[in-house]
Amino acid sequence: GDKVKQSPSALSLQEGTNSALRCNFSIAATTVQWFLQNPRGSLINLFYLVPGTKENGRLKSAFDSKESYSTLHIRDAQLEDSGTYFCAAERANTGKLTFGDGTVLTVKP
Amino acid sequence: DPKIIQKPKYLVAVTGSEKILICEQYLGHNAMYWYRQSAKKPLEFMFSYSYQKLMDNQTASSRFQPQSSKKNHLDLQITALKPDDSATYFCASSPTGTGDYEQYFGPGTRLTVL
Repeated sequence: GDKVKQSPSALSLQEGTNSALRCNFSIAATTVQWFLQNPRGSLINLFYLVPGTKENGRLKSAFDSKESYSTLHIRDAQLEDSGTYFCAAERANTGKLTFGDGTVLTVKP
Repeated sequence: DPKIIQKPKYLVAVTGSEKILICEQYLGHNAMYWYRQSAKKPLEFMFSYSYQKLMDNQTASSRFQPQSSKKNHLDLQITALKPDDSATYFCASSPTGTGDYEQYFGPGTRLTVL
């Protein structure tokens, strides 16, 4: 079955609105990373998380290892936020990242 | 300046041929990885190396062989190429291979096998 399940698979936002993306894990994740893949295909690091929360500008992310999920909140969405967001879980000090299928975000003016 | 260099950016190969994908990182990291992203599957882990030694191999086929000639190099040799090998191959690195640090990804090599 899916080890890292992301939702929603696609999302369309009006500029200036807020939203949240979610990852549920069926593996025992010890750390989580969030990435944005831009239209050129580059993977941009957003967050590296141990259980807890982090905030960076308009982005905020949380990782709950006991409940096996992580969230990424986007506040005041901008056009440049468009792209595909991936979460990836790492298990038990292996260094191996297991990725979700991604959320395709489109921000419209 | 790019910290992780992958060469070439685009690669077209014929079925049955052999290609080498190059990866160099200038972050001073001790662990390097290869991942694959195809249209049919999400990003998939392939290999991890730490201090130039293979740590994990999740690739079923022996046609994929990583090669580490230097600490900051991890190339990927692919033999007997098949159309299903068409994908973007990403190299990544981190300070250690134990998951204590985030991984940084290169720009990828997009391979098309005809």
